[in-house]
Amino acid sequence: EDQVTQSPEALRLQEGESSSLNCSYTVSGLRGLFWYRQDPGKGPEFLFTLYSAGEEKEKERLKATLTKKESFLHITAPKPEDSATYLCAVPGYSSASKIIFGSGTRLSIRP
Amino acid sequence: DADVTQTPRNRITKTGKRIMLECSQTKGHDRMYWYRQDPGLGLRLIYYSFDVKDINKGEISDGYSVSRQAQAKFSLSLESAIPNQTALYFCATSEKQPFEEQFFGPGTRLTVL
Repeated sequence: EDQVTQSPEALRLQEGESSSLNCSYTVSGLRGLFWYRQDPGKGPEFLFTLYSAGEEKEKERLKATLTKKESFLHITAPKPEDSATYLCAVPGYSSASKIIFGSGTRLSIRP
Repeated sequence: DADVTQTPRNRITKTGKRIMLECSQTKGHDRMYWYRQDPGLGLRLIYYSFDVKDINKGEISDGYSVSRQAQAKFSLSLESAIPNQTALYFCATSEKQPFEEQFFGPGTRLTVL
Protein backbone atom coordinates (compact mmCIF):
# COMPACT_ATOMS: atom_id res chain seq x y z
CA GLU A 1 0.00 0.00 0.00
CA ASP A 2 1.33 3.44 -0.95
CA GLN A 3 1.99 5.48 2.16
CA VAL A 4 3.56 8.76 3.29
CA THR A 5 4.50 9.44 6.91
CA GLN A 6 5.81 12.73 8.27
CA SER A 7 7.61 13.25 11.54
CA PRO A 8 7.55 14.85 13.96
CA GLU A 9 3.92 16.00 14.05
CA ALA A 10 5.00 19.25 15.66
CA LEU A 11 8.35 20.92 16.24
CA ARG A 12 9.12 24.00 18.27
CA LEU A 13 12.47 25.68 17.74
CA GLN A 14 14.19 28.79 18.94
CA GLU A 15 15.02 31.35 16.27
CA GLY A 16 18.35 30.35 14.74
CA GLU A 17 18.12 26.72 15.88
CA SER A 18 18.53 24.48 12.82
CA SER A 19 16.67 21.19 12.47
CA SER A 20 15.18 18.73 9.97
CA LEU A 21 11.72 17.45 9.13
CA ASN A 22 11.25 13.92 7.86
CA CYS A 23 9.01 12.46 5.16
CA SER A 24 9.20 8.70 4.70
CA TYR A 25 7.38 6.99 1.87
CA THR A 26 6.53 3.57 0.53
CA VAL A 27 5.52 3.62 -3.13
CA SER A 28 6.30 1.39 -6.07
CA GLY A 29 8.61 3.44 -8.25
CA LEU A 30 8.99 7.03 -7.16
CA ARG A 31 7.85 9.56 -9.76
CA GLY A 32 8.61 12.60 -7.70
CA LEU A 33 8.31 13.89 -4.15
CA PHE A 34 6.79 17.29 -3.47
CA TRP A 35 7.15 19.65 -0.52
CA TYR A 36 4.58 22.32 0.32
CA ARG A 37 4.26 24.99 2.98
CA GLN A 38 0.84 25.77 4.47
CA ASP A 39 0.12 28.82 6.59
CA PRO A 40 -2.95 28.83 8.88
CA GLY A 41 -6.14 29.59 6.96
CA LYS A 42 -4.44 29.33 3.56
CA GLY A 43 -3.90 26.80 0.82
CA PRO A 44 -0.59 24.95 0.51
CA GLU A 45 2.19 26.72 -1.36
CA PHE A 46 4.55 24.67 -3.54
CA LEU A 47 8.20 24.59 -2.47
CA PHE A 48 10.15 21.78 -4.19
CA THR A 49 10.00 18.72 -6.41
CA LEU A 50 12.64 16.00 -6.04
CA TYR A 51 12.87 13.17 -8.56
CA SER A 52 15.75 10.88 -7.68
CA ALA A 53 17.81 9.75 -4.72
CA GLY A 54 20.66 12.12 -4.03
CA GLU A 55 18.90 15.13 -5.45
CA GLU A 56 18.85 18.36 -3.40
CA LYS A 57 16.94 21.62 -3.82
CA GLU A 58 17.38 24.86 -1.87
CA LYS A 59 15.30 27.95 -1.26
CA GLU A 60 16.42 30.56 1.24
CA ARG A 61 16.78 28.74 4.60
CA LEU A 62 15.23 25.50 3.33
CA LYS A 63 16.98 22.57 1.71
CA ALA A 64 15.20 19.40 0.63
CA THR A 65 17.03 16.12 0.12
CA LEU A 66 15.89 12.71 -1.09
CA THR A 67 16.92 9.10 -0.48
CA LYS A 68 15.27 5.90 -1.70
CA LYS A 69 13.06 5.74 1.37
CA GLU A 70 12.69 9.27 2.71
CA SER A 71 13.10 12.97 2.21
CA PHE A 72 14.34 15.56 4.63
CA LEU A 73 13.51 19.23 4.77
CA HIS A 74 16.42 20.92 6.49
CA ILE A 75 15.83 24.37 7.92
CA THR A 76 18.92 26.40 8.71
CA ALA A 77 18.86 29.30 11.18
CA PRO A 78 15.07 29.59 11.03
CA LYS A 79 13.17 32.81 11.61
CA PRO A 80 9.67 33.25 13.09
CA GLU A 81 8.28 33.74 9.57
CA ASP A 82 9.25 30.15 8.77
CA SER A 83 6.54 28.99 11.16
CA ALA A 84 4.01 26.96 9.16
CA THR A 85 2.91 23.41 8.48
CA TYR A 86 5.12 21.60 5.97
CA LEU A 87 3.55 18.91 3.82
CA CYS A 88 5.12 16.31 1.59
CA ALA A 89 3.38 14.31 -1.12
CA VAL A 90 4.13 11.56 -3.63
CA PRO A 91 2.20 10.32 -6.66
CA GLY A 92 0.76 6.85 -6.12
CA TYR A 93 0.05 4.11 -8.65
CA SER A 94 -3.35 2.80 -7.73
CA SER A 95 -6.63 4.39 -8.79
CA ALA A 96 -7.34 4.99 -5.12
CA SER A 97 -4.11 6.83 -4.41
CA LYS A 98 -3.16 9.06 -7.31
CA ILE A 99 -1.49 11.54 -4.95
CA ILE A 100 -0.70 10.86 -1.31
CA PHE A 101 -0.10 13.68 1.12
CA GLY A 102 1.47 13.28 4.52
CA SER A 103 -0.34 14.77 7.49
CA GLY A 104 2.33 17.43 7.89
CA THR A 105 4.78 18.78 10.43
CA ARG A 106 3.66 21.89 12.29
CA LEU A 107 6.78 24.03 12.75
CA SER A 108 6.85 26.86 15.27
CA ILE A 109 9.82 29.22 15.58
CA ARG A 110 10.07 31.28 18.76
CA PRO A 111 11.79 34.69 18.57
CA ASP B 1 -5.89 39.29 -8.04
CA ALA B 2 -5.48 35.73 -6.79
CA ASP B 3 -4.64 33.12 -9.43
CA VAL B 4 -6.97 30.48 -7.95
CA THR B 5 -10.17 31.64 -6.28
CA GLN B 6 -12.79 29.67 -4.39
CA THR B 7 -16.32 30.64 -3.44
CA PRO B 8 -17.74 30.66 -0.90
CA ARG B 9 -14.93 30.90 1.64
CA ASN B 10 -17.13 29.73 4.48
CA ARG B 11 -20.43 27.90 4.42
CA ILE B 12 -22.65 26.44 7.09
CA THR B 13 -25.43 24.17 5.89
CA LYS B 14 -27.77 21.48 7.14
CA THR B 15 -27.84 17.75 6.57
CA GLY B 16 -29.52 16.84 3.28
CA LYS B 17 -28.93 20.16 1.54
CA ARG B 18 -27.28 20.40 -1.87
CA ILE B 19 -24.12 22.49 -1.87
CA MET B 20 -21.89 23.71 -4.68
CA LEU B 21 -18.33 24.92 -4.20
CA GLU B 22 -16.83 26.86 -7.06
CA CYS B 23 -13.27 27.25 -8.25
CA SER B 24 -11.91 29.63 -10.86
CA GLN B 25 -8.36 30.09 -12.09
CA THR B 26 -6.54 32.63 -14.22
CA LYS B 27 -3.31 30.63 -14.59
CA GLY B 28 -4.37 29.01 -17.87
CA HIS B 29 -3.69 25.53 -16.53
CA ASP B 30 -5.51 22.52 -17.94
CA ARG B 31 -5.23 20.35 -14.83
CA MET B 32 -7.55 21.02 -11.89
CA TYR B 33 -8.12 19.17 -8.63
CA TRP B 34 -10.42 19.09 -5.62
CA TYR B 35 -9.19 18.03 -2.18
CA ARG B 36 -10.53 17.91 1.32
CA GLN B 37 -8.40 18.44 4.41
CA ASP B 38 -9.26 17.05 7.81
CA PRO B 39 -7.21 17.49 10.99
CA GLY B 40 -4.60 14.74 11.27
CA LEU B 41 -5.48 13.16 7.92
CA GLY B 42 -3.75 15.38 5.43
CA LEU B 43 -5.13 16.32 2.02
CA ARG B 44 -7.20 13.70 0.20
CA LEU B 45 -8.07 13.81 -3.49
CA ILE B 46 -11.78 13.93 -4.33
CA TYR B 47 -11.84 14.49 -8.12
CA TYR B 48 -9.44 15.65 -10.78
CA SER B 49 -9.65 16.86 -14.37
CA PHE B 50 -6.83 17.04 -16.90
CA ASP B 51 -8.84 19.01 -19.46
CA VAL B 52 -12.40 20.20 -20.07
CA LYS B 53 -13.59 16.80 -21.32
CA ASP B 54 -11.76 14.74 -18.71
CA ILE B 55 -13.14 13.95 -15.23
CA ASN B 56 -11.68 11.34 -12.89
CA LYS B 57 -12.55 10.06 -9.44
CA GLY B 58 -10.01 10.39 -6.70
CA GLU B 59 -9.55 8.60 -3.41
CA ILE B 60 -12.80 9.76 -1.77
CA SER B 61 -15.35 10.62 -4.47
CA ASP B 62 -18.42 9.00 -2.87
CA GLY B 63 -21.02 11.64 -2.01
CA TYR B 64 -19.44 14.22 -4.34
CA SER B 65 -19.76 15.17 -7.99
CA VAL B 66 -17.94 17.71 -10.17
CA SER B 67 -18.45 19.78 -13.28
CA ARG B 68 -15.74 21.27 -15.49
CA GLN B 69 -17.57 24.15 -17.12
CA ALA B 70 -14.52 25.60 -18.85
CA GLN B 71 -10.76 25.46 -18.68
CA ALA B 72 -10.90 28.03 -15.90
CA LYS B 73 -13.83 26.66 -13.86
CA PHE B 74 -14.20 23.46 -11.85
CA SER B 75 -17.11 23.04 -9.43
CA LEU B 76 -17.61 20.52 -6.64
CA SER B 77 -21.11 19.52 -5.53
CA LEU B 78 -22.38 17.72 -2.48
CA GLU B 79 -25.75 16.36 -3.59
CA SER B 80 -27.00 15.67 -0.07
CA ALA B 81 -24.63 16.97 2.57
CA ILE B 82 -23.90 14.92 5.68
CA PRO B 83 -22.02 15.94 8.86
CA ASN B 84 -18.89 13.90 8.08
CA GLN B 85 -18.39 16.09 5.00
CA THR B 86 -17.52 18.94 7.36
CA ALA B 87 -13.98 19.84 6.30
CA LEU B 88 -11.73 22.34 4.58
CA TYR B 89 -11.97 22.03 0.78
CA PHE B 90 -9.22 23.10 -1.59
CA CYS B 91 -9.12 23.52 -5.33
CA ALA B 92 -5.77 23.34 -7.11
CA THR B 93 -4.33 23.64 -10.59
CA SER B 94 -1.16 22.46 -12.28
CA GLU B 95 0.56 22.85 -15.61
CA LYS B 96 3.28 20.23 -15.63
CA GLN B 97 3.06 16.48 -15.12
CA PRO B 98 -0.09 15.23 -13.34
CA PHE B 99 -0.17 16.28 -9.68
CA GLU B 100 3.16 18.08 -9.91
CA GLU B 101 3.70 21.64 -8.65
CA GLN B 102 0.12 22.41 -7.79
CA PHE B 103 -1.22 25.90 -7.08
CA PHE B 104 -3.88 25.89 -4.41
CA GLY B 105 -6.81 28.21 -3.78
CA PRO B 106 -7.50 29.72 -0.36
CA GLY B 107 -9.97 27.01 0.62
CA THR B 108 -13.62 26.74 1.59
CA ARG B 109 -14.51 25.88 5.16
CA LEU B 110 -17.71 23.82 5.05
CA THR B 111 -19.72 22.90 8.13
CA VAL B 112 -22.64 20.49 7.83
CA LEU B 113 -24.95 20.50 10.85
